[in-house]
Amino acid sequence: SQQGEEDPQALSIQEGENATMNCSYKTSINNLQWYRQNSGRGLVHLILIRSNEREKHSGRLRVTLDTSKKSSSLLITASRAADTASYFCAPLAGANNLFFGTGTRLTVIP
Amino acid sequence: EAQVTQNPRYLITVTGKKLTVTCSQNMNHEYMSWYRQDPGLGLRQIYYSMNVEVTDKGDVPEGYKVSRKEKRNFPLILESPSPNQTSLYFCASRPGTWTELFFGSGTQLSVL
Repeated sequence: SQQGEEDPQALSIQEGENATMNCSYKTSINNLQWYRQNSGRGLVHLILIRSNEREKHSGRLRVTLDTSKKSSSLLITASRAADTASYFCAPLAGANNLFFGTGTRLTVIP
Repeated sequence: EAQVTQNPRYLITVTGKKLTVTCSQNMNHEYMSWYRQDPGLGLRQIYYSMNVEVTDKGDVPEGYKVSRKEKRNFPLILESPSPNQTSLYFCASRPGTWTELFFGSGTQLSVL
């Protein structure tokens, strides 16, 4: 399968703690994207990391990519209750499609 | 405001009654796509379109039709809906080949 597989499936942390989610994939990619989904709503793009990049930052988000291990991680620092959502990784291998996994459900407890 | 607009937000229908879910984007994106999201299965692509009059099947196209007569619109048609098409549907578009997707707010469809 070309889809990303997120781990863990669910994560519960206290407000202020860091949250780390992992993603594994199986094919060579052009880039890998992370998205966030609030319950039942549309996905929102968070960050895109290209295959020749190893790390990227955006505000409280830090994404790493290891193409040799075909894995990526998303770190959310100093989490807030508003970060409660599902997070998806999506490797982009071809021109058509992003292959989404089932996501990591993050709960941030106030 | 740049956005992808889907309608309706919620839809309840009965088996066999044809329906259309509309999708429109105001960002002049060439690429558009439809996904369905089901618990435990993630998002699966139904159809996609690389440009006007160019459409192709995704992973789960059975029971669906699409058309792309204009760049901004990409409607999803269920000619004869069945209960297994009960799902949350998303339309999405993107500006270039290797860029991010912009999603609509979703359509929750229930087929009784």
